[in-house]
Amino acid sequence: DGGITQSPKYLFRKEGQNVTLSCEQNLNHDAMYWYRQDPGQGLRLIYYSQIVNDFQKGDIAEGYSVSREKKESFPLTVTSAQKNPTAFYLCASSIDHDPTRTQYFGPGTRLLVL
Amino acid sequence: RKEVEQDPGPFNVPEGATVAFNCTYSNSASQSFFWYRQDCRKEPKLLMSVYSSGNEDGRFTAQLNRASQYISLLIRDSKLSDSATYLCAVKEDTGRRALTFGSGTRLQVQP
Repeated sequence: DGGITQSPKYLFRKEGQNVTLSCEQNLNHDAMYWYRQDPGQGLRLIYYSQIVNDFQKGDIAEGYSVSREKKESFPLTVTSAQKNPTAFYLCASSIDHDPTRTQYFGPGTRLLVL
Repeated sequence: RKEVEQDPGPFNVPEGATVAFNCTYSNSASQSFFWYRQDCRKEPKLLMSVYSSGNEDGRFTAQLNRASQYISLLIRDSKLSDSATYLCAVKEDTGRRALTFGSGTRLQVQP
């Protein structure tokens, strides 16, 4: 099946710990995105990448880092500098060269702080 | 002012009712518009794109008003299964091309 996978479904972080969220897609999409969703709120953009080996900060990049070494993979690291990491993290991908095409989301990872 | 605004609701409607949601956007450079449906604790799923001339998909109708900078979603003959949060999203035709989302409107269809 084609799609976007995220793992793990739930992730627990201890104080001062870095954790990495996985996002993989087999849709051959150029662009990939990370969003954060807090309860009762919309999605906010953390980082995005339009091509391999390139990525850009979104609106709330502080405390996060990403890499894009392969087209199909866009992992997100939540660093200890992110003081309020508890949220629902959503990865998305899209065909970038057509602005009318929308993004499709993975099932998300819920991050909780112990 | 938020870039994309929605009434959070909840909209509580009986089965069979017609319900409409609006979504306003502030950036006139926005080029593409979408409605997503999000069930509780799930990822958003594309419901429909919104075209300039308006478009319909079964019981769902989406419209765009560029002059007033809003999009709308009309749901006819509401079903219990329509209960969800509806997110609007806009996309700029600039280098970023990421979606900007509203906070969502919650719909609860009651028997």
